[in-house]
Amino acid sequence: QVQLQQSGPGLVKPSQTLSLTCDISGDIISSNTAAWHWIRQSPSRGLEWLGRTYYTSKWYNDYAVSVKSRITINPDTYKNQFSLQLNSVTPEDTAMYYCARQFNSVFGVWGQGTMVTVSS
Amino acid sequence: DIVMTQSPDSLAVSLGERATINCKSSQGISYSSNNKNHLAWYQQKPGQPPKVVFYWASTRESGVPDRFSGSGSGTDFTLTISSLQAEDVAVYYCQQYYSTPYTFGQGTKLEIK
Repeated sequence: QVQLQQSGPGLVKPSQTLSLTCDISGDIISSNTAAWHWIRQSPSRGLEWLGRTYYTSKWYNDYAVSVKSRITINPDTYKNQFSLQLNSVTPEDTAMYYCARQFNSVFGVWGQGTMVTVSS
Repeated sequence: DIVMTQSPDSLAVSLGERATINCKSSQGISYSSNNKNHLAWYQQKPGQPPKVVFYWASTRESGVPDRFSGSGSGTDFTLTISSLQAEDVAVYYCQQYYSTPYTFGQGTKLEIK
C-alpha cells in the first residue's frame, strides 16, 4: 500500500528556512492520478493547507496565498519524493507539518507528521 | 477562500447514543459537471494524522464502520455516528476540495459523556 515517510529537522531558527522531505513508497510521484500536498496543524491556525505539486503532462504547483512568497514544493522523480521549503520562518510557523497524497480527490494517505518549532 | 464552519466545537455523547456533527461551507462545493459534493470528513486521534472517513460527502472510506454516515449537499453537511463507541473518541474535521486553497473546518471534539 502507499506510504509516506517524512524527514527533516524539528527545530529551525527564526529567519531561516524550514526544509522537509516526504518519501513515497507504493506509488510514483509522477503518477497523473495523484497530487502531493503539504498541510500543517497548529492550535492557533488549525489544519492549514500549504500547497501541492502534481503531474499531468507537466509539473504544476499551487500554493496558499498566506505563504506563497515563501514556499516551494519540489518533486524529485529520481528519489520518488517531494519536499517543502518555507523561507524566512517566524514563531508563527511553529506547527505539525504533514505531507499527504490526494488520489481520486481523497486525502487518503498522510505522512506521520513532523513537529517543527521555530525558536532561537 | 471557502470557509468551513463546524458545529458544535465539542460534543459529549453517551456510549451507544447518536452523535451528530455539522459542517457548513461559505459557498456551494459541487460542480454541475459531476453533481458531487467536494467534501471530506476526517477523524484525528491524539498523536496521529487525520484519517479520511468520508469523501464526496457520503462515500464511506474502506474499513470505516457502517455506524458512521455522511450526508448533505449544497452548503450543509452532517457526519453522524449512530451508536457511539469508545474508539470513536476523536476530533472530526470537514474539508472542502472543491477549489484551492483546500480548507478545513475548525474541528469538533467528540467525547464520551
